[in-house]
Amino acid sequence: KNQVEQSPQSLIILEGKNCTLQCNYTVSPFSNLRWYKQDTGRGPVSLTIMTFSENTKSNGRYTATLDADTKQSSLHITASQLSDSASYICVVSYGNNRLAFGKGNQVVVIP
Amino acid sequence: GAGVSQSPSNKVTEKGKDVELRCDPISGHTALYWYRQSLGQGLEFLIYFQGNSAPDKSGLPSDRFSAERTGGSVSTLTIQRTQQEDSAVYLCASSLVTAELFFGEGSRLTVL
Repeated sequence: KNQVEQSPQSLIILEGKNCTLQCNYTVSPFSNLRWYKQDTGRGPVSLTIMTFSENTKSNGRYTATLDADTKQSSLHITASQLSDSASYICVVSYGNNRLAFGKGNQVVVIP
Repeated sequence: GAGVSQSPSNKVTEKGKDVELRCDPISGHTALYWYRQSLGQGLEFLIYFQGNSAPDKSGLPSDRFSAERTGGSVSTLTIQRTQQEDSAVYLCASSLVTAELFFGEGSRLTVL
């Protein structure tokens, strides 16, 4: 079983609409959780990074939340744009600088 | 350079040949990671270098894969006797310890 589960695997949304991506993890001891955006054919780019004490963090139209007790995180995209079409990857840092990656949420924004 | 640089960006090779992929991390970053991303799949950890410590090779899929990091900077991932299942994008990332990862654009390997 993957240590970081993301859902939905993929979704299609209309431009201008909001969406929320989910990330559940099982690894411990928790260090931090990161969301990355990966455009097709490009390397992942960091959106947010949250430590244990942070519940929410925003980066423009992206807002990430973290519940370290339930080991859940979400990434909310507000007023989606065509450029938001990408894979969003949840990465959990744990233990001695170890990283666990989710398989990503594939988002397609259509006009 | 300003970011993580990888070369070549694309490599097509014949089955059985050896390939070398290069990663030039951000200057001063002590941690360097190699990942593999197959089509439609998540990132698969291969190897992790941290300073002068022994690398974490636990993700290397077989003994055909090896990597080195010379002088604590540039890293080379070598795949010997390539197989078709080795076809993937190989991503390199660097960071300061426990900090944000910066990824390169990847090297797309196609084994015919």
